[in-house]
Amino acid sequence: GAVVSQHPSRVICKSGTSVKIECRSLDFQATTMFWYRQFPKQSLMLMATSNEGSKATYEQGVEKDKFLINHASLTLSTLTVTSAHPEDSSFYICSALSGGGSTDTQYFGPGTRLTVL
Amino acid sequence: AQRVTQPEKLLSVFKGAPVELKCNYSYSGSPELFWYVQYSRQRLQLLLRHISRESIKGFTADLNKGETSFHLKKPFAQEEDSAMYYCALRMDSSYKLIFGSGTRLLVRP
Repeated sequence: GAVVSQHPSRVICKSGTSVKIECRSLDFQATTMFWYRQFPKQSLMLMATSNEGSKATYEQGVEKDKFLINHASLTLSTLTVTSAHPEDSSFYICSALSGGGSTDTQYFGPGTRLTVL
Repeated sequence: AQRVTQPEKLLSVFKGAPVELKCNYSYSGSPELFWYVQYSRQRLQLLLRHISRESIKGFTADLNKGETSFHLKKPFAQEEDSAMYYCALRMDSSYKLIFGSGTRLLVRP
């Protein structure tokens, strides 16, 4: 089946630094990827839709200048948390859309746990 | 606004008992509903989608537009079914998913 990887799986950084998280579709091409955020014991909250070759579409309330998304190829999307602060600490999950029409499916990465000190 | 509600945070049953995980949605258009499952220490994965009308691992779910529900059912729970289950809604104009808050299913031996 389709596999999506994320790197790193865990990152600890100091407040004020920037952190880049990679999301890769390993065995399929994905023109559309999604970035989610999950707080402890809460559901996944969609942050943005990443479109290959164009600007990401951010959900209401998500700061696009803080969460930079780049989808430079059909297999890679990156999320950069700029000037991270402790409140940005969370579990970040990406997914990649495979297929089309009624059979399209989002395949999820394993997630990246970000801890900002 | 579009919304997915899973009223139970935790559902605990004994092995062999029937299971029903509730999911209600709020959406005025034509929705597509999904159930995703996350086993311990594993990533989120698709369990089933309403348009497929199939049974996966013994689980079924029927979309009831009148009650705006998409409850997940299994007649005889197994210990390996213990996991976190998320109901998700996709609107007819988008690939975006809106997730419910999830229900943890615990199947006791």
